[in-house]
Amino acid sequence: DQQVKQNSPSLSVQEGRISILNCDYTNSMFDYFLWYKKYPAEGPTFLISISSIKDKNEDGRFTVFLNKSAKHLSLHIVPSQPGDSAVYFCAASAIGFGFNKFYFGSGTKLNVKP
Amino acid sequence: KAGVTQTPRYLIKTRGQQVTLSCSPISGHRSVSWYQQTPGQGLQFLFEYFSETQRNKGNFPGRFSGRQFSNSRSEMNVSTLELGDSALYLCASSLDGRGGNEQFFGPGTRLTVL
Repeated sequence: DQQVKQNSPSLSVQEGRISILNCDYTNSMFDYFLWYKKYPAEGPTFLISISSIKDKNEDGRFTVFLNKSAKHLSLHIVPSQPGDSAVYFCAASAIGFGFNKFYFGSGTKLNVKP
Repeated sequence: KAGVTQTPRYLIKTRGQQVTLSCSPISGHRSVSWYQQTPGQGLQFLFEYFSETQRNKGNFPGRFSGRQFSNSRSEMNVSTLELGDSALYLCASSLDGRGGNEQFFGPGTRLTVL
């Protein structure tokens, strides 16, 4: 049962434009969300997170938006750069649960064309 | 500070064999989680260890087991290997395993079952 879904396996964007990666979740208990970036032959690296008490969090070129009523979050990258080409995973957790159990989506492969 | 290390990086086994994977967390981190990554399935949570105790477990058969040592190093064992066990196995460490703490991933062990 996939509680976190990334319905777009791939996305191609021109350098300098905006990249929007989407993620949906089903469990209303989730209260903490993260985005990870993964290059080939490397483990995922943390990118940005958001708590359910917020609807937006920004870090440089990366912004995550959370729509709790729709159980949807998105990652915006502006402007996109070729070095952003990677697989992006969203993940969710229920902090109230107390332990480190994260549910991951299946990933979206972003290709930023020069 | 050294990152999360996993050994071996690549492994080829045949069906029916067993395998042991190793993970050394970042110094000072006491929580280690294991994930299986397969194409199209994202990262599937296997289990989490904290202070030598398994605290969380995902929906994997009993052939998948693990343990954690007093120095927080962790091993994962898969017995009676099946073709479907071919995947990238990732471990992640965090300070104390609380849901809000960032997880740091190792580069993974690529297991191929023939």
